[in-house]
Amino acid sequence: TQLLEQSPQFLSIQEGENLTVYCNSSSVFSSLQWYRQEPGEGPVLLVTVVTGGEVKKLKRLTFQFGDARKDSSLHITAAQPGDTGLYLCAGAVPSNTGKLIFGQGTTLQVKP
Amino acid sequence: GAGVSQSPSNKVTEKGKDVELRCDPISGHTALYWYRQRLGQGLEFLIYFQGNSAPDKSGLPSDRFSAERTGESVSTLTIQRTQQEDSAVYLCASSSGQSPAGANVLTFGAGSRLTVL
Repeated sequence: TQLLEQSPQFLSIQEGENLTVYCNSSSVFSSLQWYRQEPGEGPVLLVTVVTGGEVKKLKRLTFQFGDARKDSSLHITAAQPGDTGLYLCAGAVPSNTGKLIFGQGTTLQVKP
Repeated sequence: GAGVSQSPSNKVTEKGKDVELRCDPISGHTALYWYRQRLGQGLEFLIYFQGNSAPDKSGLPSDRFSAERTGESVSTLTIQRTQQEDSAVYLCASSSGQSPAGANVLTFGAGSRLTVL
């Protein structure tokens, strides 16, 4: 069974601070995605990383896929209250095209 | 439709009753997923349909849970003899299923919140 462990599970910071969320596994994934979910809604895709070592930037968000494709990180620079939400990583299971396993999520609260 | 539609949005039932949750995926999407999300938690994989292939049922927690999909359209998740631990939000997602490295882009519905009393 492939598992994704996210840390921290909960993060409360002040506006303007930087933060990093981690997503780790002992298993290899063929690709990894990050989603953001707001209360009462379904998750929405932020980014997909496919190649080991890949780094992608989305405005103040930086995503990295580990060289061995077992882990990923999400870094937010100068967090804003609008960044508040549940951040979820999801890994695509190799040899099972399309099956996605999610981590348990990181709840981020950014205070003004 | 423009998005993934789930119904009911809210369901309260008594322990031991059966419930059916419905998902209308985006038209043309060949892949359909069901996940369970407990309060403040991540998404627990339940079942995955891809085209005409046999569904991946490896996440269904017990034989009280079943799901069907008619062709590439509507899916129904059925929970028989509901228990209090079944209380959760059940999320459905669909995907065109054509991304490389299994990186399907999932579009989620808003979920069906199930409360078992």
